[in-house]
Amino acid sequence: QVQLVESGGGLVKPGGSLRLSCAASGFTFSDYYMSWIRQAPGKGLEWVSYISSSGSTIYYADSVKGRFTISRDNAKNSLYLQMNSLRAEDTAVYYCARVVAILGGWFDPWGQGTLVTVSS
Amino acid sequence: SYVLTQPPSVSVAPGKTARITCGGNNIGSKSVHWYQQKPGQAPVLVIYYDSDRPSGIPERFSGSNSGNTATLTISRVEAGDEADYYCQVWDSSSDHPDVVFGGGTKLTVL
Repeated sequence: QVQLVESGGGLVKPGGSLRLSCAASGFTFSDYYMSWIRQAPGKGLEWVSYISSSGSTIYYADSVKGRFTISRDNAKNSLYLQMNSLRAEDTAVYYCARVVAILGGWFDPWGQGTLVTVSS
Repeated sequence: SYVLTQPPSVSVAPGKTARITCGGNNIGSKSVHWYQQKPGQAPVLVIYYDSDRPSGIPERFSGSNSGNTATLTISRVEAGDEADYYCQVWDSSSDHPDVVFGGGTKLTVL
């Protein structure tokens, strides 16, 4: 079945870095846009970034632009999020999700999420 | 930037109909998608393209979209429907397409 599994979350100090990974299975990864979406504790969903199927098109939310970098390795069926200059407000569960129907479509499925905590 | 407005909470008795709204400027011109999120779990798609249901989602879930309001309707509500619900659209008003989520609505089954 279609599955996404995130890893790499943890506790990091403000100003630190972390790299999240998302392993995809059960579908042709290279055919789909992919995205990262986060959810701060007790808060709603916030889109972070998406990347086209080839990796040639990338967009970020203003809140992470210049600090986060999304990438993918289609040979490894994997999606990544490099997070630098982390701030307390980046504390959240980070979900990877497949984008269905490019630009205008929906997210399905979502991974189980990985928790990132930014604290001294 | 585009804003989606949802009521923070909706309460409904079992067996009744719940309606969760998602307001946005001329949202009827956009495609709206809805997600259900139960505590401690990842969101799950329940409606896409305004009113289509993914396989495995009960027919009790339906959607509509017109004017400035999109609506998720849950008929014959069950205790298991208690969850947070989020609407989502894409906004192309800036220099690149953005994803926008509503603030979420907590559905309480009385």
